[in-house]
Amino acid sequence: QVQLVQSGAEVKKPGASVRVSCKASGYTFTSSAFSWVRQAPGQGLEWMGWISVYSGERYYAQNFQDRVTMTTDSSTNTAYMDLRSLRSDDTARYYCARQSSKFGSPADYWGQGTLVTVSS
Amino acid sequence: DIQLTQSPSSLSASVGDRVTITCRTSQSITGYLNWYQQRPGQAPKVLIYAVSSLQSGVPSRFSGSGSGTNFTLTISSLQPEDFATYYCQLSYTPPFTFGPGTKVDI
Repeated sequence: QVQLVQSGAEVKKPGASVRVSCKASGYTFTSSAFSWVRQAPGQGLEWMGWISVYSGERYYAQNFQDRVTMTTDSSTNTAYMDLRSLRSDDTARYYCARQSSKFGSPADYWGQGTLVTVSS
Repeated sequence: DIQLTQSPSSLSASVGDRVTITCRTSQSITGYLNWYQQRPGQAPKVLIYAVSSLQSGVPSRFSGSGSGTNFTLTISSLQPEDFATYYCQLSYTPPFTFGPGTKVDI
């Protein structure tokens, strides 16, 4: 069965960076893409970006373009999201979600989310 | 970028009620509009993809419809486990924006 298991909670100081990992299993990793989505406490879903495992093609939301990097590692079936220059309003739960490598598909499997807290 | 609005932002309903949630896009889209359900403390779950296709394993009381700039999610007979927040999302081309959400409670 498809599973996405994310790394554990993080506490960071303002200005620091964070890396969230998402280990996939139960399907052919290279056939997929990943979206990263975050949710601040009590707020809605915010799409951060998308990366194709096969092609490496990636798209970032304008709000994050200068601070985010998404990568994948096919040797370990893991997707990564790096966010730099953290601010207090980056405190949120960060989700990885699997999509098809073609546009149009929904996010059909989600990780459990990783809580990132930014506080001095 | 295409913007999404949802209405209502919240609603109160009873078990057995028919519930309709609307998602409007700022431009006409080709149809890659998805709907997700998020229960408190859980990750989102896809219900409907490509406007009207029911995701495998999702009960048939959920349905989607629409075209152009207006789309709807309908729950034909609300069940206790359906009290949650619902989001629409574009997936035709990035950015894969989410709507602001509609909270359905008792």
